[in-house]
Amino acid sequence: AQSVSQHNHHVILSEAASLELGCNYSYGGTVNLFWYVQYPGQHLQLLLKYFSGDPLVKGIKGFEAEFIKSKFSFNLRKPSVQWSDTAEYFCAVGTSNTGKLIFGQGTTLQVKP
Amino acid sequence: NAGVTQTPKFQVLKTGQSMTLQCAQDMNHEYMSWYRQDPGMGLRLIHYSVGAGITDQGEVPNGYNVSRSTTEDFPLRLLSAAPSQTSVYFCASSYKGGISPLHFGNGTRLTVT
Repeated sequence: AQSVSQHNHHVILSEAASLELGCNYSYGGTVNLFWYVQYPGQHLQLLLKYFSGDPLVKGIKGFEAEFIKSKFSFNLRKPSVQWSDTAEYFCAVGTSNTGKLIFGQGTTLQVKP
Repeated sequence: NAGVTQTPKFQVLKTGQSMTLQCAQDMNHEYMSWYRQDPGMGLRLIHYSVGAGITDQGEVPNGYNVSRSTTEDFPLRLLSAAPSQTSVYFCASSYKGGISPLHFGNGTRLTVT
């Protein structure tokens, strides 16, 4: 069965600091990987996705993620965070043969102005 | 407007009562799913469907039933509500499960007393 683990539960950064959020998954076959963001009071929105090809994926709002197959990881990065990036971030893994999309526990990011 | 419509937005139930959360999408998506969101637990998959007439269990299916008689609708039934089912529930759909990004409804905040 597929599973997802996010290492950091709560991250606090100052504006302009760099961000890296960890995500590891467990599944023996081909996976599709996603990062979603949930701003306060809103539902989840897609940040970026990886299906195949270049393991470095660029998303919206300056976010990027790198798929490292040997480490079963898909970490999210941003070189310089802004106060408006304060939100909860979720990593998710999907497989085409099961059709399921499973989410990690989420990481709350607080950016101090 | 195209999207995922969930009703109601808020609901309070007494222990033992039953109710149905409604979910409808007008994007002709094959895949529909229900998640519950609890603090520190992320989003957990309750049930999902890869097409009309097909449903399957997710990570936390106990206490919930679903059916998918049409492509558009995917109601979630709580058979006998328990305080442990107090949560925020999200319906989500996508073109193809496990591959395509999810479109989320606005959520239902359920309290069971």
